[in-house]
Amino acid sequence: DTGVSQNPRHKITKRGQNVTFRCDPISEHNRLYWYRQTLGQGPEFLTYFQNEAQLEKSRLLSDRFSAERPKGSFSTLEIQRTEQGDSAMYLCASSPLAGRTSYNEQFFGPGTRLTVL
Amino acid sequence: GENVEQHPSTLSVQEGDSAVIKCTYSDSASNYFPWYKQELGKGPQLIIDIRSNVGEKKDQRIAVTLNKTAKHFSLHITETQPEDSAVYFCAASGNFNKFYFGSGTKLNVKP
Repeated sequence: DTGVSQNPRHKITKRGQNVTFRCDPISEHNRLYWYRQTLGQGPEFLTYFQNEAQLEKSRLLSDRFSAERPKGSFSTLEIQRTEQGDSAMYLCASSPLAGRTSYNEQFFGPGTRLTVL
Repeated sequence: GENVEQHPSTLSVQEGDSAVIKCTYSDSASNYFPWYKQELGKGPQLIIDIRSNVGEKKDQRIAVTLNKTAKHFSLHITETQPEDSAVYFCAASGNFNKFYFGSGTKLNVKP
């Protein structure tokens, strides 16, 4: 399977604990995105990388959240001091770097469902 | 920023009927409009997309139309089947990066 993979698929943690999620994009996709999806809503943009550079972060990404893509391949999203409001599905997507066009398809992984007790 | 609204939130049709889901967007700079299907417990799956230089695109039973002047686009599914039952999301994007998603439509196709 050459799609986007995410691990773990499910994570249950207690309030105050730190959690880390991993995303492996489609091979050779330069861009990698993180979204958060709460129940009954559409995904909301958190941040994105082009290769190893983090180019944009949403206001939703508080200072308890940090994302990295150290070698321009896989990415990690860490949440420190988790709160119950962090409970959501965290989705990763990747896309190839478009040529001269200003838009491109994003392919999503299965997500990591976080439950904070 | 961009604001995408999607209607209806739920849609129930009989197998074989057509289903139409509508979205509006606010930012005239948006130029790419994908549609995703999301099944329970899975990530969104791209089913069709349209770029701002065309008004309509069709892929078998699925079609999407775009009206740039009115800033709205629609998903049309013909001859619906029970396996079409899922949540559908529209999205809009104006540049290389983030998508703005609608709130989703839960489609139920009754056999």
